[in-house]
Amino acid sequence: DSGVTQTPKHLITATGQRVTLRCSPRSGDLSVYWYQQSLDQGLQFLIQYYNGEERAKGNILERFSAQQFPDLHSELNLSSLELGDSALYFCASRDSSYNSPLHFGNGTRLTVT
Amino acid sequence: GQQVMQIPQYQHVQEGEDFTTYCNSSTTLSNIQWYKQRPGGHPVFLIQLVKSGEVKKQKRLTFQFGEAKKNSSLHITATQTTDVGTYFCAGLNDNYGQNFVFGPGTRLSVLP
Repeated sequence: DSGVTQTPKHLITATGQRVTLRCSPRSGDLSVYWYQQSLDQGLQFLIQYYNGEERAKGNILERFSAQQFPDLHSELNLSSLELGDSALYFCASRDSSYNSPLHFGNGTRLTVT
Repeated sequence: GQQVMQIPQYQHVQEGEDFTTYCNSSTTLSNIQWYKQRPGGHPVFLIQLVKSGEVKKQKRLTFQFGEAKKNSSLHITATQTTDVGTYFCAGLNDNYGQNFVFGPGTRLSVLP
């Protein structure tokens, strides 16, 4: 158990809809990262937050947004969903030590029909 | 931007054979980390390399960081069925902030 909690585990929705994915980082970790993994693909970095502030942005679509709340949990909002958004979305957290590793949650599998 | 490549994309080996995956970055890295993702699972941290030319071992796994800190390799001796999964390298470049760039991964299949 990595200590990172993601909900829901599975999400099935229709094109055009909006969904929210939730992540609770490990206790004490201030950094939260979001990654997208399409079928049999690598991990595409979406966005990073540190203690409530956006720190880095990757290939995140304008239809996607995220935030980190004062209690450090994070939410990834996906809107105007398209079939191609179907993927596994991982959240990872890490502590503030330089070079500390990422700890991944179990992911949310999103299916857009 | 920073790019990280891995080869091969897939590798099928007979149990007991050795396996190596190679990771190459377009930029010099501050450190490199390796992760393993079992089928249906999430990536799990294996190891981190920081120094130029560093070599680290974990039982049957040997990790190397190149002298120029732009490439790395993971070698598994005498593979077992428990080694099945996808192995990712992730590079950290201080010029790009604390943002890990993952390679596309090498998927390893081990035939019993």
